[in-house]
Amino acid sequence: AQSVSQHNHHVILSEAASLELGCNYSYGGTVNLFWYVQYPGQHLQLLLKYFSGDPLVKGIKGFEAEFIKSKFSFNLRKPSVQWSDTAEYFCAVNGLGSYIPTFGRGTSLIVHP
Amino acid sequence: KAGVTQTPRYLIKTRGQQVTLSCSPISGHRSVSWYQQTPGQGLQFLFEYFSETQRNKGNFPGRFSGRQFSNSRSEMNVSTLELGDSALYLCASSLDRGSDGYTFGSGTRLTVV
Repeated sequence: AQSVSQHNHHVILSEAASLELGCNYSYGGTVNLFWYVQYPGQHLQLLLKYFSGDPLVKGIKGFEAEFIKSKFSFNLRKPSVQWSDTAEYFCAVNGLGSYIPTFGRGTSLIVHP
Repeated sequence: KAGVTQTPRYLIKTRGQQVTLSCSPISGHRSVSWYQQTPGQGLQFLFEYFSETQRNKGNFPGRFSGRQFSNSRSEMNVSTLELGDSALYLCASSLDRGSDGYTFGSGTRLTVV
């Protein structure tokens, strides 16, 4: 079945630590990839997206993600996290047989000051 | 520009009742999608409307329905509520097909008792 997996359900880091959140999908065709963030008490916001071209995508707030087609992965990274990055992060993929995006179950990130 | 507006923000209903949730998309956005968000299942796609027509439907029972008006505002209805329908219901709008990513509303938190 077409699916999106986020293997890290909960991540706890200290400020200034580096972050990498995994996202893998199961589909061999052309995909569009997204990362969304949901800060506590706020709505989901688009962090970054990949459609084509350079597989390294830069988003807002210093986040970036790399699309590795051979690994069906789109991992989110940030070199140095801040307390304000505490949030839930969702990977989404469309093109899994439909333009309707399929979301991963999310990763809860807690950053300790 | 104004974001996606969902009303009401919170609802408490009794099993067996029905409920109607409302969503006003960003001006100019003609596609409205609805998602159910729960801690266990993440974001599950309910349906998508475009130009007053349901264009896609997720895997939910017929108790879940929706519609879209000529001004692109959308409503979703859940009849014969069950305890398991307790969730955050999210509305997302896009220009068309979410190819540029979605803009989400803050959601309606439905609690069924």
